[in-house]
Amino acid sequence: NAGVTQTPKFRILKIGQSMTLQCAQDMNHNYMYWYRQDPGMGLKLIYYSVGAGITDKGEVPNGYNVSRSTTEDFPLRLELAAPSQTSVYFCASRSDYPVSTDTQYFGPGTRLTVL
Amino acid sequence: KNQVEQSPQSLIILEGKNCTLQCNYTVSPFSNLRWYKQDTGRGPVSLTIMTFSENTKSNGRYTATLDADTKQSSLHITASQLSDSASYICVVSRNTNGQNFVFGPGTRLSVLP
Repeated sequence: NAGVTQTPKFRILKIGQSMTLQCAQDMNHNYMYWYRQDPGMGLKLIYYSVGAGITDKGEVPNGYNVSRSTTEDFPLRLELAAPSQTSVYFCASRSDYPVSTDTQYFGPGTRLTVL
Repeated sequence: KNQVEQSPQSLIILEGKNCTLQCNYTVSPFSNLRWYKQDTGRGPVSLTIMTFSENTKSNGRYTATLDADTKQSSLHITASQLSDSASYICVVSRNTNGQNFVFGPGTRLSVLP
């Protein structure tokens, strides 16, 4: 299993540009998450999904959009990039069960810089 | 407010020494507490997980403790190795649906030869 994969690994955007961060998992997990990690801060939840066709906002959703058309893929869309979106973005997934041991599996991250 | 705090912010130790990292949380309703290891440039990887009824859990040289009464956890690393250099993140799960993980800021550990 490849686990959780993310592309690209690095990207530099100009202010106002748009892009899509790709995330895929091959573990048949229903739950998927997008986080951003700023220096010295804990991971902040952007969006999450509990299954194909179902998404919901997390703690910091402004400026982002997601879709979940398949179980495997969970792309994150940035519209009109701003310097405040400079961060490292992590995608994660987890199984539904058992609920008491809800281990998340993380991708390697995408380092995004907006200039 | 649901919050996870970690101390120290950073730590430098010599190879072979032991160290202890701290995690305090104010999260409810509590489901479980997990320690992750995050190598530079990589995603976090789960080390240990403890539910409310567990007060200690080991994974090789890593031993985590949980005091649910005082809402504190610690991660003890024994006989440190250079490969232990990483950030260690404490994560508390809330017993709710959906958005239920609260992440600490992490402790940056550097192990020197």
